[in-house]
Amino acid sequence: EPEVTQTPSHQVTQMGQEVILRCVPISNHLYFYWYRQILGQKVEFLVSFYNNEISEKSEIFDDQFSVERPDGSNFTLKIRSTKLEDSAMYFCASSGRGTGELFFGEGSRLTVL
Amino acid sequence: GESVGLHLPTLSVQEGDNSIINCAYSNSASDYFIWYKQESGKGPQFIIDIRSNMDKRQGQRVTVLLNKTVKHLSLQIAATQPGDSAVYFCAERRSDTNAGKSTFGDGTTLTVKP
Repeated sequence: EPEVTQTPSHQVTQMGQEVILRCVPISNHLYFYWYRQILGQKVEFLVSFYNNEISEKSEIFDDQFSVERPDGSNFTLKIRSTKLEDSAMYFCASSGRGTGELFFGEGSRLTVL
Repeated sequence: GESVGLHLPTLSVQEGDNSIINCAYSNSASDYFIWYKQESGKGPQFIIDIRSNMDKRQGQRVTVLLNKTVKHLSLQIAATQPGDSAVYFCAERRSDTNAGKSTFGDGTTLTVKP
């Protein structure tokens, strides 16, 4: 069964450092998303990406965040200068045309010290 | 603003019993309501969705009910099994945002006792 894969599974970084989280969405999907989940809390939308551009973003997705689809398979989330409050589980998701069903990866846990 | 919330943060049921997980929402403009299951250490997994012009939809062992009058959504799981133990989130989205966001509620932790 096709799945969304994410790397790394866990990253520990120092405050102020840049972090890149990587995702390989399901191959025939067209819509890509990043969500985050602070421990014990709800899943929060960060950004959606379609046709090589951001289609929607939340207030959380400020200038420190960026996304990129550098090739035909990868979808990355970059945090330029991490803050303590960026510590969370980051989930990548994708969906196909005509359906709102999101397929999530297993997440990348980011710990900022 | 819009919000999606659940009535109870935890629910404990006996194996074989039916489970009902509830959710209240505030955004009348939502077109779809969705239930996700999140097992420990994993990402959310789609269970079932319902379009806003419907009031009931059934899947395999699951039924979603939508009451737009009171803005209430519920997920019923028949013959609950230990493998159903997880956190359940309701979510909503608009149909014009297929390339857009789903707004998640807070989650209910379902524990199934053998």
